[in-house]
Amino acid sequence: QLQLQESGSGLVKPSETLSLTCTVSGASIGDSAYYWGWIRQPPGKGLEWIGVIYYRGNTIYNPSLNSRVTISVDTSNNHFSLKLTSVSAADSGVYYCVRRATRPEYFDSWGQGILVTVSS
Amino acid sequence: AIQMTQSPSSLSASVGDRVTITCRASQGIKNDLGWYQQKPGKAPKVLIYAASRLQSGVPSRFSGSGSGTDFTLTISSLQPEDFATYYCLQDYSYPLTFGGGTNVEI
Repeated sequence: QLQLQESGSGLVKPSETLSLTCTVSGASIGDSAYYWGWIRQPPGKGLEWIGVIYYRGNTIYNPSLNSRVTISVDTSNNHFSLKLTSVSAADSGVYYCVRRATRPEYFDSWGQGILVTVSS
Repeated sequence: AIQMTQSPSSLSASVGDRVTITCRASQGIKNDLGWYQQKPGKAPKVLIYAASRLQSGVPSRFSGSGSGTDFTLTISSLQPEDFATYYCLQDYSYPLTFGGGTNVEI
């Protein structure tokens, strides 16, 4: 059974870098039928797509975050990661890692989410 | 970026009611639209993808329709476990964009 599990620091200081990892079990990140990605949700607000990565390392990012975000993949350890630099309070919220099916494309699996708070 | 306008933002309904939620795209997105349900404190889960395809395991009381710019999620007979927030997501082009959400409450 597919499971996605987020991990990382739940508290980040303003201007520093948010770092999260998503560990995948029950499926291979190297499966060419899927992308892997991140979505976030500020407290009490809606969902925002951050970006996706293919197992070969191809990435697509939300232009609103483009200059600050990096998603990377580690196929040997079956996980992928998110780094967001120069964070501010506006980056606080729950971060979800997701699997994106292709043909057709949609997010078919979600991690439980991890709450990240940006505060000094 | 394609803007997704979802309505209503909230609605009150009773068990057994037929509920309809709409999503309008700022430009045509063919049938590249999904519907997601989120309960408090939980991750969203997909209900419908490609506008009308029911995700495996999702009850048949959920259905989706539409193409181009106008889409609808229908719950034929609302059940207690359906009280949640629903989001549409356009899968047509990057950046992917969500609707603002519809909170379905009692």
